[in-house]
Amino acid sequence: DAKTTQPPSMDCAEGRAANLPCNHSTISGNEYVYWYRQIHSQGPQYIIHGLKNNETNEMASLIITEDRKSSTLILPHATLRDTAVYYCIVSPHRGGTSYGKLTFGQGTILTVHP
Amino acid sequence: GAVVSQHPSRVICKSGTSVKIECRSLDFQATTMFWYRQFPKQSLMLMATSNEGSKATYEQGVEKDKFLINHASLTLSTLTVTSAHPEDSSFYICSALSRTGGFGNTIYFGEGSWLTVV
Repeated sequence: DAKTTQPPSMDCAEGRAANLPCNHSTISGNEYVYWYRQIHSQGPQYIIHGLKNNETNEMASLIITEDRKSSTLILPHATLRDTAVYYCIVSPHRGGTSYGKLTFGQGTILTVHP
Repeated sequence: GAVVSQHPSRVICKSGTSVKIECRSLDFQATTMFWYRQFPKQSLMLMATSNEGSKATYEQGVEKDKFLINHASLTLSTLTVTSAHPEDSSFYICSALSRTGGFGNTIYFGEGSWLTVV
């Protein structure tokens, strides 16, 4: 079973920030938070990952709460092409038999509208 | 970023035949690759872990004799669906793990392969 909980769907207006929440209350100390998205009929696309500090890259920002039990993915200026299913996944970062095995939940369907 | 390529992107085969799907890491060596299956409107489900030079590890409920996995080199894993049936029609996706822990310590996915069994 996936160890994360996400809202099934969200809407966002084009040009506005999209804030996608994720709960991972049972996260272990060695587990990172990964975000991927999947546009229809394509393979998942890596967005960002983090351990406990906030992270930012050219695609998005990741805000992780201090207790690490939840996080928020922020797309600062959503475009129509950001419409996709967004998956929040917790997984060991390195080592162990589970490294690299990602358990996908149902994700959040983000719809960006004009 | 890292590139993982799958081939073919779409394939139609007759019931009872076998079909092979390739997964290649184009710009890094992948000691481990993973195969997922995704049915329409569902999430990805891990099928098996493919390790270079050794036997694949299958998830519970996945028939190893039906879904043959070969990871003959550090850049190629293949999934062969044997004696395919219409219920095997699905979107098959691979991911690859870099030998050094991944580009920025991440796992990258292929574009996926649509299999339709008629």
